[in-house]
Amino acid sequence: ETGVTQSPTHLIKTRGQQVTLRCSSQSGHNTVSWYQQALGQGPQFIFQYYREEENGRGNFPPRFSGLQFPNYSSELNVNALELDDSALYLCASSAGTGIWANEKLFFGSGTQLSVL
Amino acid sequence: AQSVTQLGSHVSVSEGALVLLRCNYSSSVPPYLFWYVQYPNQGLQLLLKYTTGATLVKGINGFEAEFKKSETSFHLTKPSAHMSDAAEYFCAVLIAGGKLIFGQGTTLQVKP
Repeated sequence: ETGVTQSPTHLIKTRGQQVTLRCSSQSGHNTVSWYQQALGQGPQFIFQYYREEENGRGNFPPRFSGLQFPNYSSELNVNALELDDSALYLCASSAGTGIWANEKLFFGSGTQLSVL
Repeated sequence: AQSVTQLGSHVSVSEGALVLLRCNYSSSVPPYLFWYVQYPNQGLQLLLKYTTGATLVKGINGFEAEFKKSETSFHLTKPSAHMSDAAEYFCAVLIAGGKLIFGQGTTLQVKP
């Protein structure tokens, strides 16, 4: 049991809309990472938040943004949705940052986003 | 730049046969390497990892992997496949900043 929960599980949006995905970290974890997994691909790192601040970002445009709250839950926001944004979005939590912390990532089941 | 290549997007084995999933990495620093499994409609579950020390690492469900620096490989094996092993498998390398770089994935099919 990972303890990382994501909502919603599935979502359908149209091009140009905005979407917010949510993640509740495992108890005791203060770091959250978001990954995008397109169909047939491996997950790609979007960004990481540690203690409410962005702590690393992948090659994603600024319309992908995030928040981490004092209780360490997190949101991923995507503006101006494009068809290529259709993917499984995975949230992962860990305790702390750095190599030793990221050895122990716990993933949620993901949110499947479809953009029509 | 670090990268991960998984050779073979689909691997099919018979139940009871050896499972071998191939992973090669590119890294300018000593790598931290991982294998994850993903069942349909689920997130990623860690199978095993190599950080330092023994190059043969054992994971859950009878899987193991060997880190071979000279070959820049981290292949995943299991002596005897079970139907429940059918899933998507991802090799990944951990780089600075806590970012995991994943391979494209290998779908394992287990035939009865």
